[in-house]
Amino acid sequence: SQQGEEDPQALSIQEGENATMNCSYKTSINNLQWYRQNSGRGLVHLILIRSNEREKHSGRLRVTLDTSKKSSSLLITASRAADTASYFCATDDPSYSGGSNYKLTFGKGTLLTVNP
Amino acid sequence: EADIYQTPRYLVIGTGKKITLECSQTMGHDKMYWYQQDPGMELHLIHYSYGVNSTEKGDLSSESTVSRIRTEHFPLTLESARPSHTSQYLCASSDGYEQYFGPGTRLTVT
Repeated sequence: SQQGEEDPQALSIQEGENATMNCSYKTSINNLQWYRQNSGRGLVHLILIRSNEREKHSGRLRVTLDTSKKSSSLLITASRAADTASYFCATDDPSYSGGSNYKLTFGKGTLLTVNP
Repeated sequence: EADIYQTPRYLVIGTGKKITLECSQTMGHDKMYWYQQDPGMELHLIHYSYGVNSTEKGDLSSESTVSRIRTEHFPLTLESARPSHTSQYLCASSDGYEQYFGPGTRLTVT
């Protein structure tokens, strides 16, 4: 299975602190994505990092990718109460060759709670 | 906000009933997906479609069926609901790598 595994399962921090979540996966990938899910809602795409990239930034988000260790991390800086959500990594099918048959496999997620 | 809609948002139904969960998107995306998610757990792909008249089963075995007669519409049907079908069902669409999700349907089968 290509499933990603997030670590930790749950994280509780104070507003203003940084939050780091990790994702490990099993086989090679073309790219890795991070999504956020607020309680009981659909997922929202945060950032995509390609297999030939090592680091990517978007606002308060910083994502790293280490393909040799098959792992990625998501850092949220200066966290806010509104960042409280579950965060999922998603990996693609390594056999994907650029056609239309694109699928993602999601990990179990990290539940982040930011206390005011 | 993505232009992808799911109805109903919540559904409580008795065992044996036939139900259809609706999913529509106005973005003209070719690719659409159905996921099943239990509370606090990962998403499991149950069906996907790469265009009109194209549907495939996902990684998780499901007793549901789907159809894709129009680009914008991807309904999911359960012929005979059972308590084991109680879960959240999420629909998504994509025209590339990023997937856009609807708000989900929370289904409870009693």
